[in-house]
Amino acid sequence: NAGVTQTPKFRVLKTGQSMTLLCAQDMNHEYMYWYRQDPGMGLRLIHYSVGEGTTAKGEVPDGYNVSRLKKQNFLLGLESAAPSQTSVYFCASSYGADLTEPQHFGDGTRLSIL
Amino acid sequence: GEDVEQSLFLSVREGDSSVINCTYTDSSSTYLYWYKQEPGAGLQLLTYIFSNMDMKQDQRLTVLLNKKDKHLSLRIADTQTGDSAIYFCARGGATNKLIFGTGTLLAVQP
Repeated sequence: NAGVTQTPKFRVLKTGQSMTLLCAQDMNHEYMYWYRQDPGMGLRLIHYSVGEGTTAKGEVPDGYNVSRLKKQNFLLGLESAAPSQTSVYFCASSYGADLTEPQHFGDGTRLSIL
Repeated sequence: GEDVEQSLFLSVREGDSSVINCTYTDSSSTYLYWYKQEPGAGLQLLTYIFSNMDMKQDQRLTVLLNKKDKHLSLRIADTQTGDSAIYFCARGGATNKLIFGTGTLLAVQP
């Protein structure tokens, strides 16, 4: 049981390049989330999903797209990377909407845009 | 996390108690959480408290909630060097969305 796995762990991109961050969970969780963590700003929700085939916007969705084609995977895409997207990206999953069920986090993807 | 605020840094000596504070503005939150982030790792849930509770204790951790003042605190008794990390306060929103504070870096001096 690996929990939440994020790939890659590190990546450097040039402005304008595209890439996809992959999140996989093996806990059969319905809900999945993508956050970004920036110094002095805590974690901010980018997009989330409440089940296979569904996605919804979070607090800072601009410049990102997501897909949840399979229940266990949640992909975060950057179509045209910008320096402002340099950040640490965290994926999380949870069983459902029950607020007593904790969100389980991956170890993060460190992304630098030059 | 504009509506969840924390001080950025706290330094304590090993063996002392640590108190990390958090304030929030949305009084409709039903659950409030404390997460711990160790270097290079994701966030780990430490504890949570329901909004109708004043206090919750779990081994070395004590959570105090002052709902009137919208103030949450996390006390760590007998702080150890292994407690050095960033601690995030978060409040629960709709669809199990979490609103995080900016995080408090706890540095434990030996």
